[in-house]
Parts: sequence; C-alpha cells; structure tokens
Amino acid sequence: DQQVKQNSPSLSVQEGRISILNCDYTNSMFDYFLWYKKYPAEGPTFLISISSIKDKNEDGRFTVFLNKSAKHLSLHIVPSQPGDSAVYFCAARLGNAGNMLTFGGGTRLMVKP
Amino acid sequence: DGGITQSPKYLFRKEGQNVTLSCEQNLNHDAMYWYRQDPGQGLRLIYYSQIVNDFQKGDIAEGYSVSREKKESFPLTVTSAQKNPTAFYLCASSSPDTYTDTQYFGPGTRLTVL
Repeated sequence: DQQVKQNSPSLSVQEGRISILNCDYTNSMFDYFLWYKKYPAEGPTFLISISSIKDKNEDGRFTVFLNKSAKHLSLHIVPSQPGDSAVYFCAARLGNAGNMLTFGGGTRLMVKP
Repeated sequence: DGGITQSPKYLFRKEGQNVTLSCEQNLNHDAMYWYRQDPGQGLRLIYYSQIVNDFQKGDIAEGYSVSREKKESFPLTVTSAQKNPTAFYLCASSSPDTYTDTQYFGPGTRLTVL
C-alpha cells in the first residue's frame, strides 16, 4: 500500500513557464516532507523541504506548498528551465520512526526550450 | 571534500553469484541506508543502520545482507537468493543531530545479472 503517491508519471512544460509537481500521502503522522531531483544514472539530490507545521517554503525558483487537510503537497518551479528536466521524487518522514523516508514513485519533468 | 561514494558504478554478475556493493561516507553521519530503484519506480528501502554494529531490515530485505562495522562504511551484499537483482542501487546517509534529517545520496551502482 503506497503511502506516498505521485500520480503523474510525467509532465512537459515550456521553458519560462511554471512547473507544478504534485504528491499525495495517506499517513497523517508524516511530519516532514522533502523533494529530491534525480538525473539518469545519478543519485537523487536534495532540493527543498517543508515541516508539517508550515504550509509554504520557498527557495529561489522552488516553492513547496503543503495542504495538511488534503494530505497534499506540491512543488512549484518558476520559471522552468531546460536544466530542470529530471525525475522529481517527493518523500515523507514519520516523526516517530527516526530518519525513515517513504518515497513516491517520481514524476519525470521535461522542460522544452 | 565530503560526500558519499559508491563503487563500482556498473557491476555485472552471473546468476547464482553473490556480489557486494560498496558505500563509504565521510560526512560523519550516524545513519546509513540502502535503496533500490527499478525503472519507472520510486526508491524502496532495503536496509538501514542508525548506528555502528546495528542495522534493520527495510521493506525489501529478502535476498540482501549488510554489515556496519565502521561508521563510514555500509556495504550491501546481493545474494543468490535475491530473485530479481538487476536494478539501480542507491546508498544514503543522514545525521540525526539535525531536525531536518535530510538524507544525502551517493551516485549509485547499476547491477546487471547476466
């Protein structure tokens, strides 16, 4: 049973426009959420995170929004650049399970020039 | 400079053979993890270790074994009991001292069983 889901396996966006990647979760005990970016044949790199006590966190072109009542988070990239083309994973942490992260299945973002 | 190294980057194995994947970190992190990624899928946790000489099974530990004799090292052995070992293997580490507990990943090892 997948506790973290990314329902869109792929997303195509024009350069300069906004990219919105979505993630849904089922476990209300998750207290921390992260987004990772992954290029082919490389390890994921940490992008941005948000605590469950916040509803928004911003870092440059990247903003993560958390809607706890809907158990939904999203990553906004504005403006999108061709170098953003990668697979994006959301991950969630259980507060009482140490550092364990549960990952979504990933969304492949393609930013067209 | 600090980071996580995994070797080798590509590994080929004949059916029935055990193979060990290396993971080393110089970030002074206490916790280390092994994940497996299959095409089009997310990361699934194989084993994790919160401290030296201790490790726990993750979601898909069958057919794998690990050891944690040193803080810096967390090797993963893929045994012949693993029915479908061809995958991309990722090692990660994190420090429980920080609230964020962000996991940092190595570059990965692609294992192919011939």
